[in-house]
Amino acid sequence: NAGVTQTPKFQVLKTGQSMTLQCAQDMNHNSMYWYRQDPGMGLRLIYYSASEGTTDKGEVPNGYNVSRLNKREFSLRLESAAPSQTSVYFCASSVGQGYTEAFFGQGTRLTVV
Amino acid sequence: DAKTTQPNSMESNEEEPVHLPCNHSTISGTDYIHWYRQLPSQGPEYVIHGLTSNVNNRMASLAIAEDRKSSTLILHRATLRDAAVYYCILRAPNQGAQKLVFGQGTRLTINP
Repeated sequence: NAGVTQTPKFQVLKTGQSMTLQCAQDMNHNSMYWYRQDPGMGLRLIYYSASEGTTDKGEVPNGYNVSRLNKREFSLRLESAAPSQTSVYFCASSVGQGYTEAFFGQGTRLTVV
Repeated sequence: DAKTTQPNSMESNEEEPVHLPCNHSTISGTDYIHWYRQLPSQGPEYVIHGLTSNVNNRMASLAIAEDRKSSTLILHRATLRDAAVYYCILRAPNQGAQKLVFGQGTRLTINP
């Protein structure tokens, strides 16, 4: 029972490089989310997808793009990585809007040097 | 949006009950009270939620004040595995998880 799976778990990038963080859920959830967590801080929402085919900006979307590839997969792309994007990234999913429980992945620890 | 206030840290002993407080004096009448926790090096996990009545599940109990301006998460018998950051979050009905605002939370330390 995998739940929410994120790849990779760790990544080091050089400033200006690009990469895509992958997220997949096997719970048939409609809504998916990307958060970032900086040291000692709470989570901040980057983007979310309320349902397949829709995406919306969250609190901190600058420097990121997302793709809801299908119902299972929601990817986060950094086009030109910056040191300020060094963080731990969490993907989450929920049944849909109005439902109470969100399920989170294990996180991707990204360092931009 | 209504805000929650939690102590930065708390400490307890293994096998003892733990009461984690949360103040939300500006809560609206329809906001749900959610608790999540984040174990070290893991993503957050849902613990419990409630609206007006006290709630119990296999992980914890949630006690909600009669005026709903505060609530308490109760871990009945703490284990070392309960050491985590606990987040108290308010969510309006029909809103998705994009409205979950994770603040600083309470860092719970469990002593053996």
